[in-house]
Amino acid sequence: NAGVTQTPKFQVLKTGQSMTLQCAQDMNHNSMYWYRQDPGMGLRLIYYSASEGTTDKGEVPNGYNVSRLNKREFSLRLESAAPSQTSVYFCASRTERLDHINEQFFGPGTRLTVL
Amino acid sequence: KNQVEQSPQSLIILEGKNCTLQCNYTVSPFSNLRWYKQDTGRGPVSLTIMTFSENTKSNGRYTATLDADTKQSSLHITASQLSDSASYICVVSAPGSGYSTLTFGKGTMLLVSP
Repeated sequence: NAGVTQTPKFQVLKTGQSMTLQCAQDMNHNSMYWYRQDPGMGLRLIYYSASEGTTDKGEVPNGYNVSRLNKREFSLRLESAAPSQTSVYFCASRTERLDHINEQFFGPGTRLTVL
Repeated sequence: KNQVEQSPQSLIILEGKNCTLQCNYTVSPFSNLRWYKQDTGRGPVSLTIMTFSENTKSNGRYTATLDADTKQSSLHITASQLSDSASYICVVSAPGSGYSTLTFGKGTMLLVSP
């Protein structure tokens, strides 16, 4: 199993450009997440998908859109990149156990720089 | 508001020494607490998880403790190695499966020096 995979690993954009970050998981999880991680801020939730076809805003959704293409894939789109979106982006998926002792599995991250 | 506070923010220790990282939380109700290790340039990986009824859990040289009464947890690393250099993140879960049940700490950056 590959777990959670993300592409690309690195990206440099100019202000105003658009791009899509791809994420896929092979663990058959319903829940998937997009986080951004900035120095001193910890992980902050951008968007969440509880299942195929559903998405919800997290803590910092402005400037982003998401698509839950199918159970495996969850993409994050920046329509018009801004320097404030320079960050490391992590995708994650989560188990759903009846005892609620769930674990999140994270991808390796995408390092995005917006000039 | 649910919060998770970690201390210290960063720590430098010599190889072979022990260290303890702290996590205080205000999350209520409480389901479980998990410690993650995040190597530089990688995603977080789970080290240990503890539920309300557990007060100690070990994973090799890592030992986590939980005091649910005082809402405090610690992660003790024994005989540190260079590979322990990483950020350690405390995550507290409330009951349920929604995204809002997770509260993340900002992490402690540990550097193990030769």
